[in-house]
Amino acid sequence: GQQVKQSSPSLTVQEGGISILNCDYENDMFDYFAWYKKYPDNSPTLLISVRSNVDKREDGRLTVFLNKSGKHFSLHITASQPEDTAVYLCAAGQGGSAKLIFGEGTKLTVSS
Amino acid sequence: EAAVTQSPRNKVAVTGGKVTLSCNQTNNHNNMYWYRQDTGHGLRLIHYSYGAGSTEKGDIPDGYKASRPSQENFSLILELATPSQTSVYFCASGQGASAETLYFGSGTRLTVL
Repeated sequence: GQQVKQSSPSLTVQEGGISILNCDYENDMFDYFAWYKKYPDNSPTLLISVRSNVDKREDGRLTVFLNKSGKHFSLHITASQPEDTAVYLCAAGQGGSAKLIFGEGTKLTVSS
Repeated sequence: EAAVTQSPRNKVAVTGGKVTLSCNQTNNHNNMYWYRQDTGHGLRLIHYSYGAGSTEKGDIPDGYKASRPSQENFSLILELATPSQTSVYFCASGQGASAETLYFGSGTRLTVL
């Protein structure tokens, strides 16, 4: 089964609004959580990541929230801009293993 | 700047043929990965490696073999290609015992007719 799941295949947000992308995971041994961004015909690039010892991490307009008891993490993008339009992939991994598991992706469209 | 180079960029193969996708990294990273990207599935892990001589099965290894002859090179081999293996394949490299930042190549678009 899908160990890391993004239930929303797409999301549309108005320019200037907050984009909230969600990810659920099954394996409670996961202790590393990340968000990657992918433009069409390009390769994924890391946006932001957290370890399980924190519940929140901010980096500019990006914030990752981690809810370990709910096996859920999310990415909030404030002041969303048209250039944020892309596919966002969540990923999770477990300490001591190089294996990184990705979700299905959510296509974010920021409309102006 | 991290560099992961995949070849070829595009490949058309026939059903039953052998296909080899190549990946080279100049990051001196221990870990290398092969993922495939399909609509509705995101990135799915096929094989990965902890270093030269090591290959590990990912989540969808059936129909694929991997080879890591050196720190820099990691190949994905389809011995008997099938149309269901038509996809975009991404190679990546990463450092450390645990998965952290992965650096991806530009992808190989494979079509199996």
